[in-house]
Amino acid sequence: GAVVSQHPSWVICKSGTSVKIECRSLDFQATTMFWYRQFPKQSLMLMATSNEGSKATYEQGVEKDKFLINHASLTLSTLTVTSAHPEDSSFYICSASGGRGIPIYQETQYFGPGTRLLVL
Amino acid sequence: AQKITQTQPGMFVQEKEAVTLDCTYDTSDQSYGLFWYKQPSSGEMIFLIYQGSYDEQNATEGRYSLNFQKARKSANLVISASQLGDSAMYFCAMRDTGGFKTIFGAGTRLFVKA
Repeated sequence: GAVVSQHPSWVICKSGTSVKIECRSLDFQATTMFWYRQFPKQSLMLMATSNEGSKATYEQGVEKDKFLINHASLTLSTLTVTSAHPEDSSFYICSASGGRGIPIYQETQYFGPGTRLLVL
Repeated sequence: AQKITQTQPGMFVQEKEAVTLDCTYDTSDQSYGLFWYKQPSSGEMIFLIYQGSYDEQNATEGRYSLNFQKARKSANLVISASQLGDSAMYFCAMRDTGGFKTIFGAGTRLFVKA
Protein backbone atom coordinates (compact mmCIF):
# COMPACT_ATOMS: atom_id res chain seq x y z
CA GLY A 1 0.00 0.00 0.00
CA ALA A 2 0.84 3.73 -0.19
CA VAL A 3 2.22 3.63 -3.71
CA VAL A 4 3.08 6.85 -5.51
CA SER A 5 3.92 6.88 -9.20
CA GLN A 6 5.69 9.56 -11.16
CA HIS A 7 5.80 10.03 -14.90
CA PRO A 8 7.98 10.36 -16.84
CA SER A 9 10.99 8.85 -15.10
CA TRP A 10 13.38 10.43 -17.57
CA VAL A 11 13.01 13.44 -19.82
CA ILE A 12 15.45 15.16 -22.14
CA CYS A 13 14.31 18.36 -23.76
CA LYS A 14 15.59 21.37 -25.60
CA SER A 15 16.07 24.69 -23.88
CA GLY A 16 12.94 26.80 -24.00
CA THR A 17 10.42 23.97 -23.98
CA SER A 18 8.03 23.18 -21.16
CA VAL A 19 7.99 19.87 -19.36
CA LYS A 20 5.13 18.40 -17.35
CA ILE A 21 5.72 15.83 -14.61
CA GLU A 22 2.83 13.88 -13.11
CA CYS A 23 2.61 12.53 -9.60
CA ARG A 24 -0.14 10.08 -8.70
CA SER A 25 -1.10 8.30 -5.49
CA LEU A 26 -2.24 4.93 -6.76
CA ASP A 27 -3.96 3.30 -3.81
CA PHE A 28 -4.83 6.13 -1.50
CA GLN A 29 -6.17 9.65 -1.54
CA ALA A 30 -3.54 12.20 -0.63
CA THR A 31 -4.68 15.46 0.85
CA THR A 32 -1.25 16.99 0.46
CA MET A 33 1.44 16.55 -2.15
CA PHE A 34 4.96 17.90 -2.11
CA TRP A 35 7.49 18.61 -4.83
CA TYR A 36 11.20 18.39 -4.17
CA ARG A 37 14.31 19.01 -6.16
CA GLN A 38 17.52 17.14 -5.50
CA PHE A 39 20.97 17.96 -6.82
CA PRO A 40 23.62 15.22 -6.98
CA LYS A 41 24.87 14.11 -3.58
CA GLN A 42 22.65 16.58 -1.79
CA SER A 43 19.53 16.38 0.30
CA LEU A 44 16.02 17.08 -0.88
CA MET A 45 15.01 20.70 -1.30
CA LEU A 46 11.31 21.37 -0.87
CA MET A 47 9.96 23.44 -3.73
CA ALA A 48 6.28 23.63 -2.95
CA THR A 49 3.38 22.09 -1.07
CA SER A 50 0.02 21.60 -2.69
CA ASN A 51 -3.39 20.71 -1.35
CA GLU A 52 -6.15 19.45 -3.56
CA GLY A 53 -8.23 22.24 -4.99
CA SER A 54 -6.11 25.10 -3.70
CA LYS A 55 -3.07 27.03 -4.83
CA ALA A 56 0.34 25.64 -4.08
CA THR A 57 2.51 27.16 -1.38
CA TYR A 58 5.98 27.80 -2.72
CA GLU A 59 9.17 27.89 -0.72
CA GLN A 60 11.22 31.03 -0.66
CA GLY A 61 13.34 31.41 -3.75
CA VAL A 62 11.22 29.12 -5.93
CA GLU A 63 9.74 30.91 -8.92
CA LYS A 64 6.01 30.37 -9.11
CA ASP A 65 5.80 31.25 -12.77
CA LYS A 66 8.66 28.93 -13.58
CA PHE A 67 7.40 25.89 -11.71
CA LEU A 68 3.65 25.59 -12.11
CA ILE A 69 1.92 23.18 -9.78
CA ASN A 70 -1.60 21.93 -10.23
CA HIS A 71 -3.23 19.63 -7.70
CA ALA A 72 -6.33 18.69 -9.63
CA SER A 73 -7.55 15.81 -7.51
CA LEU A 74 -6.76 13.82 -4.39
CA THR A 75 -4.67 11.46 -6.49
CA LEU A 76 -2.93 13.70 -9.00
CA SER A 77 -0.53 16.63 -8.86
CA THR A 78 1.47 17.99 -11.78
CA LEU A 79 4.62 20.06 -11.94
CA THR A 80 5.27 21.99 -15.15
CA VAL A 81 8.71 23.43 -15.70
CA THR A 82 8.05 26.29 -18.08
CA SER A 83 10.64 27.46 -20.61
CA ALA A 84 13.20 25.04 -19.21
CA HIS A 85 16.86 25.96 -19.25
CA PRO A 86 19.97 23.86 -18.58
CA GLU A 87 20.11 25.09 -14.97
CA ASP A 88 16.71 23.44 -14.42
CA SER A 89 18.29 20.05 -15.04
CA SER A 90 17.84 18.09 -11.86
CA PHE A 91 16.10 15.20 -10.14
CA TYR A 92 12.51 16.09 -9.26
CA ILE A 93 10.65 13.95 -6.77
CA CYS A 94 7.14 14.18 -5.44
CA SER A 95 5.57 12.82 -2.31
CA ALA A 96 2.07 12.42 -0.96
CA SER A 97 0.72 12.32 2.57
CA GLY A 98 -2.39 12.65 4.68
CA GLY A 99 -3.78 9.62 2.96
CA ARG A 100 -7.28 8.36 3.17
CA GLY A 101 -8.27 4.93 2.09
CA ILE A 102 -5.62 2.67 3.52
CA PRO A 103 -4.15 2.29 7.00
CA ILE A 104 -0.93 4.25 6.65
CA TYR A 105 0.78 6.69 8.88
CA GLN A 106 -1.05 9.97 8.41
CA GLU A 107 2.03 12.10 8.80
CA THR A 108 4.32 10.03 6.63
CA GLN A 109 5.26 11.19 3.16
CA TYR A 110 5.33 8.49 0.52
CA PHE A 111 7.56 9.28 -2.41
CA GLY A 112 7.35 8.70 -6.10
CA PRO A 113 10.34 7.22 -7.94
CA GLY A 114 11.47 10.62 -9.21
CA THR A 115 12.00 12.24 -12.59
CA ARG A 116 15.39 13.04 -14.01
CA LEU A 117 15.24 16.13 -16.18
CA LEU A 118 18.01 17.05 -18.58
CA VAL A 119 17.69 20.30 -20.50
CA LEU A 120 20.03 20.65 -23.45
CA ALA B 1 13.46 26.93 13.50
CA GLN B 2 13.45 23.19 13.02
CA LYS B 3 16.66 21.48 12.05
CA ILE B 4 17.91 17.97 11.37
CA THR B 5 21.59 17.13 11.69
CA GLN B 6 23.27 14.04 10.33
CA THR B 7 26.96 14.26 11.13
CA GLN B 8 28.14 11.15 9.30
CA PRO B 9 28.59 11.81 5.56
CA GLY B 10 29.62 8.20 5.01
CA MET B 11 29.67 4.97 6.97
CA PHE B 12 31.15 1.55 6.29
CA VAL B 13 29.85 -1.66 7.84
CA GLN B 14 30.70 -5.30 7.36
CA GLU B 15 27.96 -7.51 6.02
CA LYS B 16 25.90 -9.15 8.78
CA GLU B 17 26.98 -6.62 11.39
CA ALA B 18 24.82 -3.91 12.94
CA VAL B 19 25.27 -0.23 12.21
CA THR B 20 23.95 2.95 13.80
CA LEU B 21 23.27 6.07 11.76
CA ASP B 22 23.12 9.23 13.85
CA CYS B 23 20.44 11.89 13.73
CA THR B 24 19.83 14.81 16.02
CA TYR B 25 17.04 17.30 15.71
CA ASP B 26 16.03 20.66 17.02
CA THR B 27 12.48 21.85 17.46
CA SER B 28 10.40 23.85 19.87
CA ASP B 29 7.28 21.87 19.06
CA GLN B 30 5.97 19.37 21.57
CA SER B 31 4.33 17.18 18.98
CA TYR B 32 6.32 15.98 16.00
CA GLY B 33 7.19 12.93 13.96
CA LEU B 34 10.58 11.53 13.04
CA PHE B 35 11.25 9.48 9.93
CA TRP B 36 14.00 7.59 8.22
CA TYR B 37 14.13 7.12 4.48
CA LYS B 38 16.46 5.07 2.30
CA GLN B 39 17.50 6.31 -1.12
CA PRO B 40 19.29 3.73 -3.30
CA SER B 41 21.14 4.75 -6.44
CA SER B 42 17.91 4.50 -8.43
CA GLY B 43 16.74 7.64 -6.64
CA GLU B 44 13.49 6.53 -5.10
CA MET B 45 12.88 7.44 -1.48
CA ILE B 46 11.83 4.42 0.55
CA PHE B 47 10.10 4.98 3.87
CA LEU B 48 11.71 2.86 6.59
CA ILE B 49 10.44 3.79 10.01
CA TYR B 50 8.43 6.37 11.96
CA GLN B 51 8.62 7.57 15.58
CA GLY B 52 6.08 9.90 17.10
CA SER B 53 7.25 12.30 19.77
CA TYR B 54 4.77 10.88 22.27
CA ASP B 55 5.56 7.27 21.55
CA GLU B 56 7.05 5.74 24.66
CA GLN B 57 8.61 2.77 22.96
CA ASN B 58 11.23 2.82 20.27
CA ALA B 59 9.88 2.04 16.82
CA THR B 60 10.96 -1.17 15.13
CA GLU B 61 10.34 -2.44 11.61
CA GLY B 62 12.05 -5.70 10.82
CA ARG B 63 15.81 -5.10 10.82
CA TYR B 64 15.33 -1.39 11.43
CA SER B 65 14.92 0.15 14.84
CA LEU B 66 14.91 3.74 15.93
CA ASN B 67 16.80 4.64 19.09
CA PHE B 68 14.72 7.59 20.28
CA GLN B 69 16.17 9.69 23.08
CA LYS B 70 13.82 12.60 23.48
CA ALA B 71 15.78 14.50 26.12
CA ARG B 72 18.87 14.40 23.94
CA LYS B 73 16.82 15.09 20.80
CA SER B 74 18.31 12.19 18.96
CA ALA B 75 16.69 9.62 16.70
CA ASN B 76 19.37 7.21 15.57
CA LEU B 77 18.61 4.46 13.08
CA VAL B 78 19.95 1.01 13.89
CA ILE B 79 20.18 -1.52 11.08
CA SER B 80 20.82 -5.04 12.32
CA ALA B 81 22.43 -7.81 10.27
CA SER B 82 23.45 -5.52 7.42
CA GLN B 83 22.98 -6.78 3.89
CA LEU B 84 24.68 -5.70 0.68
CA GLY B 85 21.37 -4.28 -0.47
CA ASP B 86 21.42 -1.85 2.44
CA SER B 87 24.10 0.18 0.67
CA ALA B 88 22.34 3.47 -0.01
CA MET B 89 21.84 7.02 1.17
CA TYR B 90 19.84 7.36 4.37
CA PHE B 91 17.93 10.49 5.32
CA CYS B 92 16.55 11.43 8.70
CA ALA B 93 13.51 13.71 8.59
CA MET B 94 11.15 15.50 10.94
CA ARG B 95 7.63 16.82 10.58
CA ASP B 96 5.64 18.72 13.14
CA THR B 97 2.27 17.16 13.70
CA GLY B 98 -0.39 19.33 12.16
CA GLY B 99 2.11 21.09 9.98
CA PHE B 100 2.69 20.41 6.34
CA LYS B 101 6.43 20.50 6.05
CA THR B 102 8.98 17.79 6.50
CA ILE B 103 12.59 18.79 6.76
CA PHE B 104 15.42 16.45 5.84
CA GLY B 105 18.94 16.02 7.07
CA ALA B 106 21.93 16.06 4.74
CA GLY B 107 21.99 12.27 4.61
CA THR B 108 24.46 9.50 5.40
CA ARG B 109 25.80 7.23 2.71
CA LEU B 110 26.11 3.67 3.95
CA PHE B 111 28.48 1.19 2.33
CA VAL B 112 28.07 -2.48 3.23
CA LYS B 113 31.19 -4.55 2.63
CA ALA B 114 31.09 -8.22 1.71
